[in-house]
Amino acid sequence: GESVGLHLPTLSVQEGDNSIINCAYSNSASDYFIWYKQESGKGPQFIIDIRSNMDKRQGQRVTVLLNKTVKHLSLQIAATQPGDSAVYFCAENTFYNQGGKLIFGQGTELSVKP
Amino acid sequence: DPEVTQTPSHQVTQMGQEVILRCVPISNHLYFYWYRQILGQKVEFLVSFYNNEISEKSEIFDDQFSVERPDGSNFTLKIRSTKLEDSAMYFCASRGQVGSEAFFGQGTRLTVV
Repeated sequence: GESVGLHLPTLSVQEGDNSIINCAYSNSASDYFIWYKQESGKGPQFIIDIRSNMDKRQGQRVTVLLNKTVKHLSLQIAATQPGDSAVYFCAENTFYNQGGKLIFGQGTELSVKP
Repeated sequence: DPEVTQTPSHQVTQMGQEVILRCVPISNHLYFYWYRQILGQKVEFLVSFYNNEISEKSEIFDDQFSVERPDGSNFTLKIRSTKLEDSAMYFCASRGQVGSEAFFGQGTRLTVV
């Protein structure tokens, strides 16, 4: 069965530093990946996505890296700000799945110290 | 910006009672979802809905759960006889197409007492 826990992995960084959040996904058939940010009491908010035919995609201050060989995703946040403090989830999806459900990872709590 | 809206933001109900959680997806979207998140845990898929029928449902989505899109704009999740373990945040999401980002609502916090 799935492993669940009450304690999220936590990453604590100093304001202005770069942050790297990692995620291991489970399904080798997954071909679309999304990073979501979730602030306390709110719904997941889209940050950036990447398709399996790419290994890197950049947005504003964020970069997602995909390594399909080891089924690993990372989210890099440049010049981290206090407003970046939140829980970050990766999610995977498969195109063949007509319903398009997203499977979420466990999440990482990012804490930014001013 | 278009957004998914959910009502109510918080629902308290007694065990055994029925609840209906309501969502208004983004208007031109075709795919609709319910997810739930127990406090401190990850977001879990419940059900996907496309073309007026369920596309897929998880093991959590048992006979106590049902979904409906009654009027072309609302998307509802009904829990017929709530249990204590149904207490969670319930998120509605919608997508324009598979393989695009899913937009989430702010959630309904369901507390079963």
